[in-house]
Amino acid sequence: DGGITQSPKYLFRKEGQNVTLSCEQNLNHDAMYWYRQDPGQGLRLIYYSQIVNDFQKGDIAEGYSVSREKKESFPLTVTSAQKNPTAFYLCASRSDREGVMNSGANVLTFGAGSRLTVL
Amino acid sequence: RKEVEQDPGPFNVPEGATVAFNCTYSNSASQSFFWYRQDCRKEPKLLMSVYSSGNEDGRFTAQLNRASQYISLLIRDSKLSDSATYLCVVKRSGGSYIPTFGRGTSLIVHP
Repeated sequence: DGGITQSPKYLFRKEGQNVTLSCEQNLNHDAMYWYRQDPGQGLRLIYYSQIVNDFQKGDIAEGYSVSREKKESFPLTVTSAQKNPTAFYLCASRSDREGVMNSGANVLTFGAGSRLTVL
Repeated sequence: RKEVEQDPGPFNVPEGATVAFNCTYSNSASQSFFWYRQDCRKEPKLLMSVYSSGNEDGRFTAQLNRASQYISLLIRDSKLSDSATYLCVVKRSGGSYIPTFGRGTSLIVHP
């Protein structure tokens, strides 16, 4: 089945450590996104990538880094420079074309998320 | 003013009730509007796209009012399983496709 896989599902980090969250999709989507969600809040955009080898900062990119070396993969690194990294991280991808299930173009498909806690 | 604003609720309604949520957006040039549903501690999933002429999917009806810059979601005959957070999503105007999320409206349907 096509979809997006995020790992790990839960992650604990000590202060001062960098961690990398994995996001892999087999939907053949060009665009991928990373969002952060805090309790009771909406999703805030960290980084996005419209195509392989290209990515752009979102609204809250400070303290994060990404790469897009392959179409299928868009890992997010949470660096020690991120002051308040405890949050729920969501990766999404998007197709410009109508989906097989007629889900419509430009619909976001999300992974199950990674919950990061800083101890 | 935030780009996308929603009343966080919670909206607490009995089974069978009709409930409506609104979502306002600040940029009149916004394109592409969606409603997503998010269950507790899960990822958001598409509920429905919102078209200019309004659209219906079973018990759910979505409307777009460009003049007043809001979209709405109407749920008829509420079920217990409709309890969730409903996220309004608006695509920012401009070349890059950037979906912007509201903070969500919480719905609790009780017996």
